[in-house]
Amino acid sequence: EAGVTQFPSHSVIEKGQTVTLRCDPISGHDNLYWYRRVMGKEIKFLLHFVKESKQDESGMPNNRFLAERTGGTYSTLKVQPAELEDSGVYFCASRGYSGTRNTGELFFGEGSRLTVL
Amino acid sequence: GENVEQHPSTLSVQEGDSAVIKCTYSDSASNYFPWYKQELGKGPQLIIDIRSNVGEKKDQRIAVTLNKTAKHFSLHITETQPEDSAVYFCAASPSSGSARQLTFGSGTQLTVLP
Repeated sequence: EAGVTQFPSHSVIEKGQTVTLRCDPISGHDNLYWYRRVMGKEIKFLLHFVKESKQDESGMPNNRFLAERTGGTYSTLKVQPAELEDSGVYFCASRGYSGTRNTGELFFGEGSRLTVL
Repeated sequence: GENVEQHPSTLSVQEGDSAVIKCTYSDSASNYFPWYKQELGKGPQLIIDIRSNVGEKKDQRIAVTLNKTAKHFSLHITETQPEDSAVYFCAASPSSGSARQLTFGSGTQLTVLP
């Protein structure tokens, strides 16, 4: 069974440019999360989808970040325009859904490293 | 909100020795404490977790201890092997079902020297 996959693995762009990161969760997982780790610091929550709906986007830094999950399958995270402080590793994670509670392990992708010059 | 401090940031041990990573948390409502291992080129993977109704949990060479009174928890790896080399993250949450409320530590780079 395929795990959570992310693309690209590494992106280098200049300040002011646009980047789109993609995440394919484990098939059948309704819950999809985006996290970010700025160099050497903790992993921080960005947002949470349940199927195609944004359940919680309170961790999004500002309106330069836009996340979508059309059709409730893969998700994209767009940064436009990118700033230097956006550099970091962006992780996607997914989890199954059982009954009325989110249960089960959180599975992470390998991350997309973003470098803004 | 919750704040999780993790120490040390880097740790080197000789193969066969033990490694201990410590975390403290601030929110007394936290009751779920997972540990993740991130190997080079891979994403974080859950290796062990503990809930507040338990003081210690063990799985082969890894164990986690929790002191709710002092608000700290630790990861213990015994008989370390080179494949244990990775970045380890602790986390705390008021519920095992809330990935949004997972607050992570800043990570520990563990290097096991052969």
